[in-house]
Amino acid sequence: GENVEQHPSTLSVQEGDSAVIKCTYSDSASNYFPWYKQELGKRPQLIIDIRSNVGEKKDQRIAVTLNKTAKHFSLHITETQPEDSAVYFCAARGAAGNKLTFGGGTRVLVKP
Amino acid sequence: EAGVAQSPRYKIIEKRQSVAFWCNPISGHATLYWYQQILGQGPKLLIQFQNNGVVDDSQLPKDRFSAERLKGVDSTLKIQPAKLEDSAVYLCASSSSSGASYEQYFGPGTRLTVT
Repeated sequence: GENVEQHPSTLSVQEGDSAVIKCTYSDSASNYFPWYKQELGKRPQLIIDIRSNVGEKKDQRIAVTLNKTAKHFSLHITETQPEDSAVYFCAARGAAGNKLTFGGGTRVLVKP
Repeated sequence: EAGVAQSPRYKIIEKRQSVAFWCNPISGHATLYWYQQILGQGPKLLIQFQNNGVVDDSQLPKDRFSAERLKGVDSTLKIQPAKLEDSAVYLCASSSSSGASYEQYFGPGTRLTVT
């Protein structure tokens, strides 16, 4: 089955700096890659997603890039703010059904 | 649009006891998922329903876990008997079956503590 690896597991940045989280996946047929933000004690919430026919997508301060050949995708957060502090999860959707396999998460701390 | 509803929000039980969780998906969403999220880890899919049929239950420990979605709307997940390692947050999610969106919407979760 699909395996998703996520790095780093923790990330500390100064407010205003950029943060980058990287994920790799194993199933070359995966076609959808969402990123979820989960604040302490809250539900995961989708912040951005990308389909396999697109190489990059941007939404204000966040962007996602996908390299299908290398089977990796990354989340980029620019001009980080304290409210960006949370755990971020990447996921990959297999070709069959809508099954998401999640990475292990990255705890991001933005220091004021 | 109302979100995914789950109850209870918290549950504490002793090992070997049984417990049940309930989920009501977003209206009109044909696909419903149950995930287990152990502290410090990403959600792991336990079971996926399409209407009232099971699509994937490959990671469901079937000797102790069961789930149903009899009328294709709300769903229950049961654990019997519970073990200490079942302590986790159980998240329900739903998605539309249309091809336009793959987004899964999560409920608030049920935090289970097994003592």
